[in-house]
Amino acid sequence: DVKVTQSSRYLVKRTGEKVFLECVQDMDHENMFWYRQDPGLGLRLIYFSYDVKMKEKGDIPEGYSVSREKKERFSLILESASTNQTSMYLCASRSGLSNQPQHFGDGTRLSIL
Amino acid sequence: QQQVKQSPQSLIVQKGGIPIINCAYENTAFDYFPWYQQFPGKGPALLIAIRPDVSEKKEGRFTISFNKSAKQFSLHIMDSQPGDSATYFCAAILTWEYGNKLVFGAGTILRVKS
Repeated sequence: DVKVTQSSRYLVKRTGEKVFLECVQDMDHENMFWYRQDPGLGLRLIYFSYDVKMKEKGDIPEGYSVSREKKERFSLILESASTNQTSMYLCASRSGLSNQPQHFGDGTRLSIL
Repeated sequence: QQQVKQSPQSLIVQKGGIPIINCAYENTAFDYFPWYQQFPGKGPALLIAIRPDVSEKKEGRFTISFNKSAKQFSLHIMDSQPGDSATYFCAAILTWEYGNKLVFGAGTILRVKS
């Protein structure tokens, strides 16, 4: 069974802090994704990576960066956290083969005070 | 246009009823249409998916209907149960050389009353 593990379920940080959200998958998947989920807006793609050290901007990359130094790990970085980045953050991974689904972690609820 | 529009925002049905959730899209480059189910405190999980060359797909009590000409698709849940209470997301997939990208609808909160 695919396991996508996000390091924290809940996180509280202060405005201006640099915040790291970590995600690890155990299925040797090529593709990894970071989304944020907000009520009424669904899931919006922040960044994705199709291979180690490769990254692509999603639909809302402003204020975020990512790092993928190892295949199993994909980190989301909030360079200088702001209150409008309070949200649920979801990581996902998928095989690079066609028609394979994305598998999601259980999310990190991040509050920026 | 990469948007996927989903309705209704929330839905309450009695046990045994057939909730219907609708989605519409604009981009004809989308090549796969999955539905995800999300329970509180959990990430979304793939429920059922359909390709655009198929008009209907059924898996257990869940059915997707797809209308390619109208660019619309819908999820029907037969004989709904309280355990089906969850948030449902439709999505559309763009596939390219290195992988794919999911575009999600806004979600529908379903409550099935016992």
